[in-house]
Amino acid sequence: GAVVSQHPSWVICKSGTSVKIECRSLDFQATTMFWYRQFPKQSLMLMATSNEGSKATYEQGVEKDKFLINHASLTLSTLTVTSAHPEDSSFYICSAREVAEPTNSPLHFGNGTRLTVT
Amino acid sequence: AQKITQTQPGMFVQEKEAVTLDCTYDTSDPSYGLFWYKQPSSGEMIFLIYQGSYDQQNATEGRYSLNFQKARKSANLVISASQLGDSAMYFCAMREGLRGQFYFGTGTSLTVIP
Repeated sequence: GAVVSQHPSWVICKSGTSVKIECRSLDFQATTMFWYRQFPKQSLMLMATSNEGSKATYEQGVEKDKFLINHASLTLSTLTVTSAHPEDSSFYICSAREVAEPTNSPLHFGNGTRLTVT
Repeated sequence: AQKITQTQPGMFVQEKEAVTLDCTYDTSDPSYGLFWYKQPSSGEMIFLIYQGSYDQQNATEGRYSLNFQKARKSANLVISASQLGDSAMYFCAMREGLRGQFYFGTGTSLTVIP
């Protein structure tokens, strides 16, 4: 159980275009989803917390207008990288938390999306 | 201040030996959770083990155990009988706060030598 599906697993796009990444909880409902960015051989950096039906909470230094997050339902959150540039190339990974989970529940992660902007 | 500190960027261990990966944390919240994740080269994050701040016993999950020293704010991961498949990045993480957000350390790259 607790499977998170992230799509696409990799994407190559041209500079200036927008890319949408989907994160779905397949067998549970997720009121909260987290979006992380990871550079090679570095840690996961929390970008934003996505709450179903409300605006996302962005971490300091993350551009809201560049990284658009939508959490339209209890099973789907999307991250759109707008007007992508080569410096946006990175590994993006989402995670989800069940609606009523105990405090010892781990985050359930998607398999990540490797974005390359040419 | 860093919430999670992992001071070992890289570690090597002989196959079948045990290895300890260090993790220290910083929080003023009395209720928190500590997690270890494994990230192989394919990128997915695999949950390994959990320790709650109020847990009296050290957590164990198969070959993984957590050496929890609350006063020292450390939560080291011990992997016993290392296997070649254990070669990966290992991240220590802490969950705290009303939002329950997770903070990750910088990771330790473990290489198991045959």
